[in-house]
Amino acid sequence: AQTVTQSQPEMSVQEAETVTLSCTYDTSESDYYLFWYKQPPSRQMILVIRQEAYKQQNATENRFSVNFQKAAKSFSLKISDSQLGDAAMYFCAYRTNYGGSQGNLIFGKGTKLSVKP
Amino acid sequence: EAGVAQSPRYKIIEKRQSVAFWCNPISGHATLYWYQQILGQGPKLLIQFQNNGVVDDSQLPKDRFSAERLKGVDSTLKIQPAKLEDSAVYLCASSLIETISRHGYTFGSGTRLTVV
Repeated sequence: AQTVTQSQPEMSVQEAETVTLSCTYDTSESDYYLFWYKQPPSRQMILVIRQEAYKQQNATENRFSVNFQKAAKSFSLKISDSQLGDAAMYFCAYRTNYGGSQGNLIFGKGTKLSVKP
Repeated sequence: EAGVAQSPRYKIIEKRQSVAFWCNPISGHATLYWYQQILGQGPKLLIQFQNNGVVDDSQLPKDRFSAERLKGVDSTLKIQPAKLEDSAVYLCASSLIETISRHGYTFGSGTRLTVV
């Protein structure tokens, strides 16, 4: 069974600085997707960024980028120019690409990010 | 487009009582999920529907939890009888089959259940 591990329960960053959140996963599959979700106090999970395992190029979305190391099974999230609105819980998630649409998301335990003004 | 709607937003019940949660997915989304998020943990899948059929309910405690998705649109999740360990946020999510991997899922704001 696949597992997702986030080893940093809490992180803190100064506004305008850069922070990196760590995520490792375990799988025997070669075709899968990885996601980072943000969960603010409103509780709604918001997709931040996604990575397809067969793509070597790291995904980027504005201030958010990932460092995807497939061999090491590592998928870290870098937030540049941190803003107060970035403060939230961040979850790393894995989804198999086998079985078509039947794969569900497997989440890590999350990292609580605080942004200091 | 309207998001995934869930109600109620909060619910407090005593143990052994029953409770029901409602979810209205985004129009046209064939796939619907219910996740349970216990405090301090990531969400865990309870059940997955595709249209009105169950795709995966392997982690649903069937002795007390039930779910249905009538006509392939709205869904309800029921707990009867509730236990203290059922205190959690219950998240509903939906997705289009065609874009599930590209866009992930759209989540609702969840129902926070407290069992006392």
